[in-house]
Amino acid sequence: DGGITQSPKYLFRKEGQNVTLSCEQNLNHDAMYWYRQDPGQGLRLIYYSQIVNDFQKGDIAEGYSVSREKKESFPLTVTSAQKNPTAFYLCASSRGQSNQPQHFGDGTRLSIL
Amino acid sequence: GENVEQHPSTLSVQEGDSAVIKCTYSDSASNYFPWYKQELGKRPQLIIDIRSNVGEKKDQRIAVTLNKTAKHFSLHITETQPEDSAVYFCAATLSGNTPLVFGKGTRLSVIA
Repeated sequence: DGGITQSPKYLFRKEGQNVTLSCEQNLNHDAMYWYRQDPGQGLRLIYYSQIVNDFQKGDIAEGYSVSREKKESFPLTVTSAQKNPTAFYLCASSRGQSNQPQHFGDGTRLSIL
Repeated sequence: GENVEQHPSTLSVQEGDSAVIKCTYSDSASNYFPWYKQELGKRPQLIIDIRSNVGEKKDQRIAVTLNKTAKHFSLHITETQPEDSAVYFCAATLSGNTPLVFGKGTRLSVIA
């Protein structure tokens, strides 16, 4: 869906470095989500936010942080505390609640140098 | 919390045959069950969803059935085509305030 933009498409992280993944949506959706995708593991929820200035931890939040200062934006920071950050990261949004269809971005592939 | 199991993890079918992917969920209060298709290197896209007040839903060659008693739901693809080859994910949620829980995915290969 053209309404969700993730950047960059590829990202490399050095040891001890924090990196931030961008996610912007123009769908006027209230809820936004971050997932991590590893081969054979499906989609695992990192953080989600249902309204501005509020967010909750998902199943694998350790080593990650988020902010939701604007409705359109939900950036994800992968901190140096995340020891195995190599993965494909997907951002999604939905109209209101999680029992509404989710729309995904194209993803960011993060690798360790 | 909710737990979703998806089977099989891989599935190969001949073009024109049907494919069935099954998911089971743990919480009987779950009420929303979407299916997503993810082609290689692309984003997951919603292909069909069903709510707990409905037993079956169909959209052209794709159908989803829900058995609330047994706590399972299935994706049926008829007359498969090579472009159906992808990874398919099921998901379930208890309510609007509870995040979706995804299955681990099924890699479908349609052999021409």
